[in-house]
Amino acid sequence: DGGITQSPKYLFRKEGQNVTLSCEQNLNHDAMYWYRQDPGQGLRLIYYSQIVNDFQKGDIAEGYSVSREKKESFPLTVTSAQKNPTAFYLCASSIDRAQPEHFGDGTRLSIL
Amino acid sequence: AQKVTQAQTEISVVEKEDVTLDCVYETRDTTYYLFWYKQPPSGELVFLIRRNSFDEQNEISGRYSWNFQKSTSSFNFTITASQVVDSAVYFCALSEAGSGNTGKLIFGQGTTLQVKP
Repeated sequence: DGGITQSPKYLFRKEGQNVTLSCEQNLNHDAMYWYRQDPGQGLRLIYYSQIVNDFQKGDIAEGYSVSREKKESFPLTVTSAQKNPTAFYLCASSIDRAQPEHFGDGTRLSIL
Repeated sequence: AQKVTQAQTEISVVEKEDVTLDCVYETRDTTYYLFWYKQPPSGELVFLIRRNSFDEQNEISGRYSWNFQKSTSSFNFTITASQVVDSAVYFCALSEAGSGNTGKLIFGQGTTLQVKP
């Protein structure tokens, strides 16, 4: 079955450390997105990519970086510059720009 | 600026009751999409419905129904005869649909629905 796979499910970061969250999709979707969810809040867009080798900042891109070297992969790096990284991170994809219909199961990131 | 407001933070009902989740949106665009997503305790977001701004017809899908009213900028979601499995966080969202569309979604803060047996 096609879908989006996020890994790991849980991730712990030490102070000053960069960590990378994986997002892979086998839906042949052009567009991919990263959202951050904080407790009791909706999702906020971090980065998005509409095509391979291209990506744009969302509303809260500071402290994060991404790459889109392959259509099926859109990894997110949480850098040490992100001072409050504890959150639930969701990756999504869509076949066009209409909207992200498919979401992964998420990665929960915590600070050690 | 675009904004989505879900004023109900938490709702608790007893099984078989009907429940309506409210969603009010703000946008200057004339063309846009509205969505509802369900987030069960497992965390993933499940797409429920997409409605474009030119289609104000209400929609029914099984026990789910949606009432879109442009006059009041609302897109409310009703679950009829609620079940325990409906317990989840429900998000309403808005996105632009014009030529500059990026697929970016603006989410409301979510409504936590608890259905008790």
